[in-house]
Amino acid sequence: AQSVAQPEDQVNVAEGNPLTVKCTYSVSGNPYLFWYVQYPNRGLQFLLKYITGDNLVKGSYGFEAEFNKSQTSFHLKKPSALVSDSALYFCAVRDLGSSASKIIFGSGTRLSIRP
Amino acid sequence: DGGITQSPKYLFRKEGQNVTLSCEQNLNHDAMYWYRQDPGQGLRLIYYSQIVNDFQKGDIAEGYSVSREKKESFPLTVTSAQKNPTAFYLCASTLDPSNQPQHFGDGTRLSIL
Repeated sequence: AQSVAQPEDQVNVAEGNPLTVKCTYSVSGNPYLFWYVQYPNRGLQFLLKYITGDNLVKGSYGFEAEFNKSQTSFHLKKPSALVSDSALYFCAVRDLGSSASKIIFGSGTRLSIRP
Repeated sequence: DGGITQSPKYLFRKEGQNVTLSCEQNLNHDAMYWYRQDPGQGLRLIYYSQIVNDFQKGDIAEGYSVSREKKESFPLTVTSAQKNPTAFYLCASTLDPSNQPQHFGDGTRLSIL
C-alpha cells in the first residue's frame, strides 16, 4: 500500500536559519510527490512537486525539496527561514493503488519560526 | 481570477439535521475532491469525482453524500448519520489527477449546536 510519513509533528527554527521538514514515502512504483502549505483557517497551497528528472526541485516562496530514492525521502528545505513561513506543511504522494486519481497526505508538520 | 469557492465559511448543525456544503470552481477542472481535516490527523478523503455524473467513495464516506451534476459544482451533504461531523471540510480540484497538484478552497468549518 502507498503511504507517506512525516515523522515530526513540530519543527522549531530561528529566523534566518536553514529549515528542513522531513517526509518519507512508500510506493510500489515511481513516486509522484508533492508539498503543500496551510495557513490558519485556509485551504492548502501547492509548493512544489517531483514527478521525474532532477532530484532537487525548486518551488514557491524559496522552498525546495530533495528527492532521495535510496532513502525514500522527499524533505522540504529552505536556506533561510522567515517568520512568515510559520504554518502547517503537508507532504503527499499520488496513490498508485486503487486509483491514480487519489493523493495520500501525511499527517502534517507544524513549522514555527521564532524571530 | 480562477479558483475554488467554498461556502459558507462557518456552519452549525443541529442534531438530526442534514447540511450541505457548497463547492464551486471556475478552473475547468474535471476532477474534484472532498476532504475532512481533524486536528493532528491530516486530510482524509470523503468522496471524489473524476467527471460529471460520476463519483466514488473515499476512505470515510459513511454519513456523507455528494452529487456532480455540473462540472463546476460538487456539493457535499453531511447527513444525520454522521455522528461526529465537527471538522474542517476542504474541497479541491485538479486538471490532471495523474501528475498535477490539487487546488484547494478555503474550507468550511462545521460545528454541532
